[in-house]
Amino acid sequence: GAVVSQHPSWVICKSGTSVKIECRSLDFQATTMFWYRQFPKQSLMLMATSNEGSKATYEQGVEKDKFLINHASLTLSTLTVTSAHPEDSSFYICSASRPTSGSGEQFFGPGTRLTVL
Amino acid sequence: QKEVEQNSGPLSVPEGAIASLNCTYSDRGSQSFFWYRQYSGKSPELIMFIYSNGDKEDGRFTAQLNKASQYVSLLIRDSQPSDSATYLCAVHSGNTPLVFGKGTRLSVIA
Repeated sequence: GAVVSQHPSWVICKSGTSVKIECRSLDFQATTMFWYRQFPKQSLMLMATSNEGSKATYEQGVEKDKFLINHASLTLSTLTVTSAHPEDSSFYICSASRPTSGSGEQFFGPGTRLTVL
Repeated sequence: QKEVEQNSGPLSVPEGAIASLNCTYSDRGSQSFFWYRQYSGKSPELIMFIYSNGDKEDGRFTAQLNKASQYVSLLIRDSQPSDSATYLCAVHSGNTPLVFGKGTRLSVIA
């Protein structure tokens, strides 16, 4: 159990367009989901924490108007990169935690590789 | 600021040897400790977690926790080339996201 999926696995878009990435918990309900970004050969960077039914909490330095997060249900969170630019090209990874797990364990999706031309 | 420190490596070990990966953390209130493995271009996958002081073994992996020293380690016995990856230490305390270290790159030489 505890499978998290992401869609799409990769996307190429033109500069100025918006891209939506979906994160789904397939076999459990996730009250909290997390969005990370990782540039090549760099560490994971937490962008925001998303709680079902409430506004996301963004980390310092992450533009909330550029990276729109919607956690509409207990199994789905979406990240929309608005007006994407080449510097937004990165590996975006979501993770989810189970409400029954007090340990804080996070289950990661496979990631989405975004390339902005 | 909660911090998790790891040596970035690379740590090179010969095939069949024991690889020892170390991690220190700053928050004494931390409650649970995780080791994730990340292959290049892939997302992290959980190897194991530990809550209590001492050792926890799972197959070729052993996690060791010393809360007094704020130190957690991962031993990989009989290292294989397929173990070559970046290993991320993560720490949890309270109702906050996991705090990740920057990872240690392990290279197992055949």
